Amino acid sequence: ETGVTQTPRHLVMGMTNKKSLKCEQHLGHNAMYWYKQSAKKPLELMFVYNFKEQTENNSVPSRFSPECPNSSHLFLHLHTLQPEDSALYLCASSLTSGWTDTQYFGPGTRLTVL
Amino acid sequence: KNQVEQSPQSLIILEGKNCTLQCNYTVSPFSNLRWYKQDTGRGPVSLTIMTFSENTKSNGRYTATLDADTKQSSLHITASQLSDSASYICVVSDPGSQGNLIFGKGTKLSVKP
Repeated sequence: ETGVTQTPRHLVMGMTNKKSLKCEQHLGHNAMYWYKQSAKKPLELMFVYNFKEQTENNSVPSRFSPECPNSSHLFLHLHTLQPEDSALYLCASSLTSGWTDTQYFGPGTRLTVL
Repeated sequence: KNQVEQSPQSLIILEGKNCTLQCNYTVSPFSNLRWYKQDTGRGPVSLTIMTFSENTKSNGRYTATLDADTKQSSLHITASQLSDSASYICVVSDPGSQGNLIFGKGTKLSVKP
């Protein structure tokens, strides 16, 4: 678990708040991902960064804003969220974004929107 | 639409018993299939990865099988332990999809003493 870390582990916020999720990987990988995991649903890919460049935005609402300042760090900025955005947000990294590379996941941030 | 279906949705077994989890997929073209284990409150961890040419792969007490013709995979857990309690997620790589991975909903396994 020390390979990919996420903070905070738990977050409760109101719909008018602004908060940020942080992800850091210590594996020397070049690709990083944000996923949303809701109860009884498959993991949903949100964003993909490869060598700091965003390569995928999977039709995610603009109230979620990613930032990748370097290959080791990934942020997800949150503002004016809805209660249905409550979920486990997982960060992952892989050597590259190619389909042969295994993705390593962080522990996730459990987000509750009131 | 490419999909990955897992069964059962949940399973309860006694410690020491064996169990088998199923994964059916319709992803085409198909490149590889992974099984992940996700403990409660943690991120998924890769257990096995198989390409279309591999039929079986083991990782300790976990053995995954793959039939690329019928598009079915199974994960067999031998001599279950309490620490095996987790969700097991089947993931298929689709080179043509965004992010390349198609996730199943997972099977929630509970091992009871």
